[in-house]
Amino acid sequence: NAGVTQTPKFRILKIGQSMTLQCAQDMNHNYMYWYRQDPGMGLKLIYYSVGAGITDKGEVPNGYNVSRSTTEDFPLRLELAAPSQTSVYFCASRSDRASPLHFGNGTRLTVT
Amino acid sequence: GENVEQHPSTLSVQEGDSAVIKCTYSDSASNYFPWYKQELGKRPQLIIDIRSNVGEKKDQRIAVTLNKTAKHFSLHITETQPEDSAVYFCAAPKREAGGTSYGKLTFGQGTILTVHP
Repeated sequence: NAGVTQTPKFRILKIGQSMTLQCAQDMNHNYMYWYRQDPGMGLKLIYYSVGAGITDKGEVPNGYNVSRSTTEDFPLRLELAAPSQTSVYFCASRSDRASPLHFGNGTRLTVT
Repeated sequence: GENVEQHPSTLSVQEGDSAVIKCTYSDSASNYFPWYKQELGKRPQLIIDIRSNVGEKKDQRIAVTLNKTAKHFSLHITETQPEDSAVYFCAAPKREAGGTSYGKLTFGQGTILTVHP
């Protein structure tokens, strides 16, 4: 199993550009999450999904969108990049609500 | 909503000493409490977790205790070693407003643990 795979690993965007952060898991997990981690800070939940076709907002959803058309994939979309979105983005998954999170290796995004 | 408060924010110990990190949560129906370790530039990794039907769980030098009445849980590391130096995060599930699901998992602010040789 590859676990949780995130692409790209690094990206630099100009203000106003758009991009999609990809996340895929091969563990047949129902629950998937997107967190952002600013330098020296904790993990803030952006969006999460409890199954294909179901998504919900986390603590900091503004400026982002997600979709969950399959169990495996949970892409995160940034429509109009802003400097405040400079961060490390982690995707994670788990099988149910009382199971450990499995994290991807993260995407380091810089918006200038 | 669910607030997960984690203390202390930094902790410095000598090698061989014990380290304790505490988290409090607000939703009395929360039932799963994991602890993650994050080394610099790496992803968080689970080190231990506990479910609400037990009060303590131990794995070699690491233990977690849960006090459901007081709504707090703690990470205990004994005989600390320099390689224990990292950022540690607790987490607790959050019930959606008006709902019964606990899909969300909210993290504490993190504790920077430094173990001096």
